[in-house]
Amino acid sequence: DTAVSQTPKYLVTQMGNDKSIKCEQNLGHDTMYWYKQDSKKFLKIMFSYNNKELIINETVPNRFSPKSPDKAHLNLHINSLELGDSAVYFCASSQDLNGELFFGEGSRLTVL
Amino acid sequence: AQSVTQLGSHVSVSEGALVLLRCNYSSSVPPYLFWYVQYPNQGLQLLLKYTTGATLVKGINGFEAEFKKSETSFHLTKPSAHMSDAAEYFCAVSDVDSSYKLIFGSGTRLLVRP
Repeated sequence: DTAVSQTPKYLVTQMGNDKSIKCEQNLGHDTMYWYKQDSKKFLKIMFSYNNKELIINETVPNRFSPKSPDKAHLNLHINSLELGDSAVYFCASSQDLNGELFFGEGSRLTVL
Repeated sequence: AQSVTQLGSHVSVSEGALVLLRCNYSSSVPPYLFWYVQYPNQGLQLLLKYTTGATLVKGINGFEAEFKKSETSFHLTKPSAHMSDAAEYFCAVSDVDSSYKLIFGSGTRLLVRP
């Protein structure tokens, strides 16, 4: 069983569309994250949830909205997609705030 | 504010040679330090971490790193490179002042020549 799973793995869409990426973890962790990795491999945290509560919200356009229906899920919805949103988005989880992060395999978003 | 600097976006070594990947950090309080590895088209996997205690930390796949507070460094080493070590390596830092938010360096691609 995959510990942290994301869907879809690949997403190609047009500018202006709205899309979602789903993430689920079966590790029983309390904290989940979204990271963005750009074309230069730079990784930047976007959001972090602890027990369904938002605890980290970096300077991210409000077109990005995370939703955590329960501790095991953290979805990312993106409105009005722009070319600059093209990246690989990684979901991750950890048992607590200073613990090891377990990453999903990433969702590669391409905006045309 | 924390930051991480990884010197060298690419490092190339021969199979069997020493691997040294450099990482320097800035943190105003005692840091937690991590090395992650990313294989192509995969997520990141923890290699090793330093929180407290012994400054020489051993990780998976024969890697180790030493926390040197005086040099604000956490360099990653492996005595003998293997072809399967070819990957992207990320150093990361977190601390209590930033709510343990993990800040990553820009990554170093390790190339292993046969």
